[in-house]
Amino acid sequence: EDKVVQSPLSLVVHEGDTVTLNCSYEVTNFRSLLWYKQEKKAPTFLFMLTSSGIEKKSGRLSSILDKKELFSILNITATQTGDSAVYLCAVEGWAGGTSYGKLTFGQGTILTVHP
Amino acid sequence: NAGVTQTPKFQVLKTGQSMTLQCAQDMNHEYMSWYRQDPGMGLRLIHYSVGAGITDQGEVPNGYNVSRSTTEDFPLRLLSAAPSQTSVYFCASSYDPGTSGSRNEQFFGPGTRLTVL
Repeated sequence: EDKVVQSPLSLVVHEGDTVTLNCSYEVTNFRSLLWYKQEKKAPTFLFMLTSSGIEKKSGRLSSILDKKELFSILNITATQTGDSAVYLCAVEGWAGGTSYGKLTFGQGTILTVHP
Repeated sequence: NAGVTQTPKFQVLKTGQSMTLQCAQDMNHEYMSWYRQDPGMGLRLIHYSVGAGITDQGEVPNGYNVSRSTTEDFPLRLLSAAPSQTSVYFCASSYDPGTSGSRNEQFFGPGTRLTVL
């Protein structure tokens, strides 16, 4: 059974701090790892990583994948109050048949950024 | 494009009642899925569909039925509601790259908050 574990489960920081969110996984036939941001509504897509060592960047957010050690990290630099949200990690695996594309989500990390 | 739409936004049911949560997308996506989100548990896959007429079970399918008669619609039916089904339900869709490629981002609907008394 595919498994995704995120840490920490919650994090409280002040504006300007840098945070690192962790995601470790076990999955059959890994295809991709995705990061989502959720603010009291539907999750919104941040990154998809498929190759080890490739770092994705979008402004103050960046993410890297290590397929050998089976983990990913999401970094947020110079945090702002608008970064307060739940950050979800999901892994796509393939167990055969029509199961391709199924996402397994972690529990999420609740990030709170104080002014 | 409206993207992924879900109705209703909120629903309260009594134990034993049945209902259908509606999901529709106008992006011509082949892949659609239903998740439930409970506190501290992330999103868990209920059922998914890789195209019209094709559905399969996810991680937590018991107590739910789905059908996919068109590309656009993917309703989720609760057969006999139970308090354990109190949750927030999200529908999502994406392009289906097939077995040779990785999934593109999934687009989520706004969610339905369901309470079963």
